Amino acid sequence: AQSVTQPDIHITVSEGASLELRCNYSYGATPYLFWYVQSPGQGLQLLLKYFSGDTLVQGIKGFEAEFKRSQSSFNLRKPSVHWSDAAEYFCAVVALPNDYKLSFGAGTTVTVRA
Amino acid sequence: DAGVIQSPRHEVTEMGQEVTLRCKPISGHDYLFWYRQTMMRGLELLIYFNNNVPIDDSGMPEDRFSAKMPNASFSTLKIQPSEPRDSAVYFCASSRVGGVEQFFGPGTRLTVL
Repeated sequence: AQSVTQPDIHITVSEGASLELRCNYSYGATPYLFWYVQSPGQGLQLLLKYFSGDTLVQGIKGFEAEFKRSQSSFNLRKPSVHWSDAAEYFCAVVALPNDYKLSFGAGTTVTVRA
Repeated sequence: DAGVIQSPRHEVTEMGQEVTLRCKPISGHDYLFWYRQTMMRGLELLIYFNNNVPIDDSGMPEDRFSAKMPNASFSTLKIQPSEPRDSAVYFCASSRVGGVEQFFGPGTRLTVL
């Protein structure tokens, strides 16, 4: 079965600094990978997704992620963090074409300090 | 588009009571998912439907939980009887056929006293 590991539970970053969130997946075939963001008291919003093709994918809000098959990783990055980026971030994988179930990592909480 | 709609947004009930959570998926989406989010277990899939038919309910914790989708625009998740350990945020999500991207509703925060 597929699974996702997010090694960092909590990250604190200064406003304007760069941000990188780690995600490692476990899946036998080519994974379909996602990053979602959850602001306090809100639902989940899709930041970006990777299905195939270019391993560097661009998302909304200035985020990007890079798929590295050799490292089983799909790390999320942002060059310059804004205070509004404070939220919880979830990496997820789905085992297409067998099913559409999203398996989520435990999440990484990002705190942005002024 | 209104997005995925869930009601109520907050529910407080007493142990032993029946609880019904409601979801309206995005029009035209053929897949509907119910998730539960807790501090201890994170986000976990409870059940999902395709064209109103339950496909995988292996995540439903026990017989106290049931879900239905009587038509393409409405689904319910029922807990009977409710217990304090059911306290969580319950999310509904929908997606189009072949489109893996799932759109999430705002969630229902359930507190069972």
